Amino acid sequence: GENVEQHPSTLSVQEGDSAVIKCTYSDSASNYFPWYKQELGKGPQLIIDIRSNVGEKKDQRIAVTLNKTAKHFSLHITETQPEDSAVYFCAASTGTASKLTFGTGTRLQVTL
Amino acid sequence: DAGITQSPRHKVTETGTPVTLRCHQTENHRYMYWYRQDPGHGLRLIHYSYGVKDTDKGEVSDGYSVSRSKTEDFLLTLESATSSQTSVYFCAISGTGGVGNSPLHFGNGTRLTVT
Repeated sequence: GENVEQHPSTLSVQEGDSAVIKCTYSDSASNYFPWYKQELGKGPQLIIDIRSNVGEKKDQRIAVTLNKTAKHFSLHITETQPEDSAVYFCAASTGTASKLTFGTGTRLQVTL
Repeated sequence: DAGITQSPRHKVTETGTPVTLRCHQTENHRYMYWYRQDPGHGLRLIHYSYGVKDTDKGEVSDGYSVSRSKTEDFLLTLESATSSQTSVYFCAISGTGGVGNSPLHFGNGTRLTVT
């Protein structure tokens, strides 16, 4: 089955710097790659997603890039702010109704 | 926030007792899911439902059962709770086509401790 690896497990950046979180996947049939942000005491919330027919997608300070050949995708957060501090999860799906495999999460801390 | 309510939010129970967690949605979504979240494992699918009375197993379904008698409600039952089932449980919903085609929206979780 699909395996998603996520790095790093923890990341500390200064406010205003950029943060990059990387994920690799194993199933070449995967075609949908969402990213979730989880704040303390809450459920994960979708922040951006990308499909395999697109190489990059941006939404304000957040961008995701996808390299299908290498089977990896990355989340980029620019001009980080304290409210970006959270746990981020990547995930991959082959497009079925049930199969969404999550990475193990990255705890991002933005320091002042 | 998507209209998903999980109850209870916290529960402590003893080994061997049955436990039922409830998920209620107001979005009329077809697909509902139960995940567990554990350190080092991310989120793992327990069971899911693709319609009323239509359910199927996920990757960590042993020791769990589910029921969906109405579109809006999805129940997760631990038949005989064990310490390995101490976890945070999340209900999630998805629209047309399920997780591979529509965004997944999560509830705020139930923290279950089995002593």
